[in-house]
Amino acid sequence: KQEVTQIPAALSVPEGENLVLNCSFTDSAIYNLQWFRQDPGKGLTSLLLIQSSQREQTSGRLNASLDKSSGRSTLYIAASQPGDSATYLCAVRRNTGANSKLTFGKGITLSVRP
Amino acid sequence: DAGVTQSPTHLIKTRGQQVTLRCSPKSGHDTVSWYQQALGQGPQFIFQYYEEEERQRGNFPDRFSGHQFPNYSSELNVNALLLGDSALYLCASSSGTFNEQFFGPGTRLTVL
Repeated sequence: KQEVTQIPAALSVPEGENLVLNCSFTDSAIYNLQWFRQDPGKGLTSLLLIQSSQREQTSGRLNASLDKSSGRSTLYIAASQPGDSATYLCAVRRNTGANSKLTFGKGITLSVRP
Repeated sequence: DAGVTQSPTHLIKTRGQQVTLRCSPKSGHDTVSWYQQALGQGPQFIFQYYEEEERQRGNFPDRFSGHQFPNYSSELNVNALLLGDSALYLCASSSGTFNEQFFGPGTRLTVL
């Protein structure tokens, strides 16, 4: 059974800091991995999708890496801003195909202090 | 493009009642998945619909059922509501080879 872990559960950093959010998963047989952002009480916004054959993806100040063999992914946020405050979730899809379900971690709640 | 839409936004029910939640997928998407997110937890997969059929199901009881219509929109029905069914219910749509999932804003269900 796939398990996804995100530690720590919460993180507080000063504005402008570069930071890394970690995600680990127990079964390396994944199809892809997706990072999401969730604002309080809201739905999920897709940030980055990494296919199992890829090592990283970049979008603006965000960079996500994937090391499938070690069961790890990181989300790097450059020059953090108060508007980045939210919960960040990672989710993996099994390698049974593109239509398999997403398995989520519990998320990391990020607070960026002005 | 309106993205994924869900209705209603909030819902309050009492134990034993039944509820129907609705989802319209992003334009061009043919697959709809439903997730339940309890407070402080990650979303848990309920089921997925494609071509009006339930294609996959998570570890949820038969009280949870769904439907997909020819226009790809979907409904989630929950019967005999329990207090533990209180959660944010998220709908996600996807399509194509990579199946990147796009989520709606969710429906907050409170069971009293």
